[in-house]
Amino acid sequence: DQQVKQNSPSLSVQEGRISILNCDYTNSMFDYFLWYKKYPAEGPTFLISISSIKDKNEDGRFTVFLNKSAKHLSLHIVPSQPGDSAVYFCAASPNFGNEKLTFGTGTRLTIIP
Amino acid sequence: EADIYQTPRYLVIGTGKKITLECSQTMGHDKMYWYQQDPGMELHLIHYSYGVNSTEKGDLSSESTVSRIRTEHFPLTLESARPSHTSQYLCASSEYSDGLAKNIQYFGAGTRLSVL
Repeated sequence: DQQVKQNSPSLSVQEGRISILNCDYTNSMFDYFLWYKKYPAEGPTFLISISSIKDKNEDGRFTVFLNKSAKHLSLHIVPSQPGDSAVYFCAASPNFGNEKLTFGTGTRLTIIP
Repeated sequence: EADIYQTPRYLVIGTGKKITLECSQTMGHDKMYWYQQDPGMELHLIHYSYGVNSTEKGDLSSESTVSRIRTEHFPLTLESARPSHTSQYLCASSEYSDGLAKNIQYFGAGTRLSVL
């Protein structure tokens, strides 16, 4: 039973446009969410996070939105750059203080020059 | 920048061999984790540690074992490798920050294991 779902295995976006990656979760105990980026042959790299007390967190070109009622979060990248091409993983943690992360299956983002 | 190292990066080995995957971090983090990931799948937590002499099994059952004798070192061992153990193994570490459990886990580059 997958508690964190990324239903789009891949996404292609034109350079300069906005990339929107989506993530849904089923466990209402999750209250901290993270996005990781992974290049081939490397480990995941932390990108941005959000706690359930917020509905938006912004860091440069990256913004994460959280809709608790819909159990949905999204990562917006604008403008998209070729270096953003990677696999993006959504992860969730229950009960602020619990470090065990549950990951989604990832979305492969390709930025077209 | 995170400093967490995994060796070897790639390992091809025959069935029945004993293997140890190494993971070291220089950040002084108390918490360390091992994940297993198959292509196109999510990362599954197989072991974690909250400090020296502390180890717990994760959500995914694994035949591997771990030890935590030093803060910086968290090796994973398979006593008898089998083809079903073929996968990528990722090590991570984390710490608390600002009194809040931000739980940012920093990952190593991973070990891709193939058991023939």
